[in-house]
Amino acid sequence: DVKVTQSSRYLVKRTGEKVFLECVQDMDHENMFWYRQDPGLGLRLIYFSYDVKMKEKGDIPEGYSVSREKKERFSLILESASTNQTSMYLCASIDTSGGATDTQYFGPGTRLTVL
Amino acid sequence: QQQVKQSPQSLIVQKGGISIINCAYENTAFDYFPWYQQFPGKGPALLIAIRPDVSEKKEGRFTISFNKSAKQFSLHIMDSQPGDSATYFCAGYSWGAGSYQLTFGKGTKLSVIP
Repeated sequence: DVKVTQSSRYLVKRTGEKVFLECVQDMDHENMFWYRQDPGLGLRLIYFSYDVKMKEKGDIPEGYSVSREKKERFSLILESASTNQTSMYLCASIDTSGGATDTQYFGPGTRLTVL
Repeated sequence: QQQVKQSPQSLIVQKGGISIINCAYENTAFDYFPWYQQFPGKGPALLIAIRPDVSEKKEGRFTISFNKSAKQFSLHIMDSQPGDSATYFCAGYSWGAGSYQLTFGKGTKLSVIP
């Protein structure tokens, strides 16, 4: 069974703190993604990575950075957390092996609150 | 980024009824249109998906209808059940040579009442 895990389900941080969100997938997928999900705005792509040490900006990269040192792990970093980064963060990986469906598998999410 | 417009925002359907969620897209480069189902406290999970060379795809009670010329597609849930109560997202997707586009609709919260 495919699995994407995220290090924390709930996280509370203070403004200005550096925050690390970790994501691990066990499917040997090359492509991994970070989204944030906000009511009424749906899912918005922050960053994605198509290989180790490779990264591409998504729609809303400002205030975030990422790290992909190993294939199975993709980290999202909030350099200096702000209250407008309070959100649900979802990690995903995708199987692009060329099958009938390129399925994107999501983790359970991390609900981050910045006070 | 070009949008995928999803409607309605919320939907209440009686048990046994048909739930219909509509999406419209702008980007003709999309070559795959998935629907995701998300329960509270969980990440989205792929429900059903279609490619633009097909006009309809059915899996159990779930059917996608696709109209390429109108750039519209919809999800139909037949015989809706309370367990179908969730948020549904449509999306448009294309991928090639490291170039990736996946745009989600803003979601529809479905409530199926007994």
